[in-house]
This record gives sequence, C-alpha cells and structure tokens, in this order.
Amino acid sequence: NAGVTQTPKFRILKIGQSMTLQCTQDMNHNYMYWYRQDPGMGLKLIYYSVGAGITDKGEVPNGYNVSRSTTEDFPLRLELAAPSQTSVYFCASSYQHNEKLFFGSGTQLSVL
Amino acid sequence: EDKVVQSPLSLVVHEGDTVTLNCSYEVTNFRSLLWYKQEKKAPTFLFMLTSSGIEKKSGRLSSILDKKELFSILNITATQTGDSAVYLCAVDNNAGNMLTFGGGTRLMVKP
Repeated sequence: NAGVTQTPKFRILKIGQSMTLQCTQDMNHNYMYWYRQDPGMGLKLIYYSVGAGITDKGEVPNGYNVSRSTTEDFPLRLELAAPSQTSVYFCASSYQHNEKLFFGSGTQLSVL
Repeated sequence: EDKVVQSPLSLVVHEGDTVTLNCSYEVTNFRSLLWYKQEKKAPTFLFMLTSSGIEKKSGRLSSILDKKELFSILNITATQTGDSAVYLCAVDNNAGNMLTFGGGTRLMVKP
C-alpha cells in the first residue's frame, strides 16, 4: 500500500518558470490537500479538494492552481515561479475532512 | 484570526526522561485538535482530541485537551532516541474548512 505519493522530491526553478507537483493516493480518500511549510513555521493550506471535480482555496492560494479530475490525483501547478514560493510542499489525503491526514514525503522547491 | 502556539520551540533531553509539550489555541468554532510527529519529512498522525479531559494514549505517548483553558499537552514518558522529531499541533476550525498548524516543537533525545 503506497499511501500518498508525491513527485518530484526536489526541484530548482528559475524565476518565471512553471511546473507541476504531482500527487496521487491509493486509499480512495475523497479529501486531498496541498500544504506548504516554511522553515520554523507551521503548515499552511494552499488548496484542498473534497472530491473529484471539486477544489477550493486555502489560506495561501495565490500563485498556485489545482485540479482534481480523478479521486486519486491532485496536481499542484505553479505558473510563474517566484522566490517567495521557495518552500517544502506536502500533499495529503484523508477519509474524513481534516481528520487523520496522510501526508506524502514532500517536495523541496527552490526558486532562484 | 485563528492562532495556534506551541511551546517550547525546542527541547533537548536524555533517554529515559519524560517530556511535556504544550499547544495553546485561539479559534472560533473549535472542532478538534490534532497532534502529528514529523521526523525527516512527512508528518504522521498521533492523536485527535475533541473532548476535554479525556486522555488519549498510545504506548509511551499520551495527550489531553482542556477546552476551557484552550490548550492541549502531549506527554512522552521514558523517551527514546527515536522520539526525536518535530511535534506539530493543529486545530480544526469548523467554520474555516482548514487546519491551523502551530510552528512545532523540536525534540531531541540524546542517548
């Protein structure tokens, strides 16, 4: 049972480049989330989804986009990378909303 | 604005010691408080607390919630080096649809 799988693990982007962080889960969870974690700070919610076809903004959505075409996949898109988006990104999923989240192993992103 | 504050920021103890980590919160429409352990990368779930005064226990770890004083504690007894991690507290605000995380407590357990 793989759980939540995120790719890539590391990435360096130049300012203005775009990229997609991939996230897939095999637990048939309806709820999926994208968080970012800055050094010494708590996790902040970027976007979340309550099911296929439904997404909503979290606390810090600016500069990001998401889609949820299937239950399993929840990619996060950065269109025009900025240095402020340097962070560690975590994808997570849960059976019930905001209860016992299962996290992926994270993506360390640097924008230079 | 919802707020979750954890203390201490960091802690160094020796194996066998008992530690108490604190999490205080200010949220509207409290629904639950969750504890996670973050070792190298992904946080892993420890406890979810919804009711005051009821202790949740798993091995050497236990946690309790006080909804009147708006805080929770996480206790670890007989600490081991494998307990070294960042411990995160998060609160679910029923109205906001999102968890608010504290900044974490970094625990280091020395042999």
